Amino acid sequence: RKEVEQDPGPFNVPEGATVAFNCTYSNSASQSFFWYRQDCRKEPKLLMSVYSSGNEDGRFTAQLNRASQYISLLIRDSKLSDSATYLCVVNMGWKSNYQLIWGAGTKLIIKP
Amino acid sequence: SQTIHQWPATLVQPVGSPLSLECTVEGTSNPNLYWYRQAAGRGLQLLFYSVGIGQISSEVPQNLSASRPQDRQFILSSKKLLLSDSGFYLCAWSVLSLRTSGIYNEQFFGPGTRLTVL
Repeated sequence: RKEVEQDPGPFNVPEGATVAFNCTYSNSASQSFFWYRQDCRKEPKLLMSVYSSGNEDGRFTAQLNRASQYISLLIRDSKLSDSATYLCVVNMGWKSNYQLIWGAGTKLIIKP
Repeated sequence: SQTIHQWPATLVQPVGSPLSLECTVEGTSNPNLYWYRQAAGRGLQLLFYSVGIGQISSEVPQNLSASRPQDRQFILSSKKLLLSDSGFYLCAWSVLSLRTSGIYNEQFFGPGTRLTVL
């Protein structure tokens, strides 16, 4: 079983729609969680950190379910510029605060 | 504000040649520094990380090495490249922060070096 699992997609979504991604992680000791976006042939960029109570940043909402060990990202009113690969990232918990475990990403394509 | 520089942007090297990739960070002190590799269509693989000058932790045994000669400089090297070393090499920095939910370690990346070994 992979440590961080994501549906690779691609998700083909019309502009203006709402899209949701899920990610599951295997390490119950993980204590910090993130969503990054990566454009084609570019470096990953932090989209948002995910907190226990869930958090929102504009059109983006992240949720954490520790009991089921999954993280979600919701994008509302999707824009063409949201097309990218979305990476789910968790830390290793007590093993190391410095190391992050990266999912392989979910590709999102927004169509006009 | 913090910035991170990596060079070169692209590199084509023959098998068996040496490698040196450099990364520098500005605008922060004593950052944690990381080298990752991303193969085409794959996730990020952590190669090395450093929490201070001269302190290197290796995650994957291979023909690569890393050094941190200065606080904000991180170098990735190889004496002899293999075909399997081809990939997208990314340097990142972070600073740990304690929040209500736990210890967070957001990492921020340089533009990367795309290495092709022929």
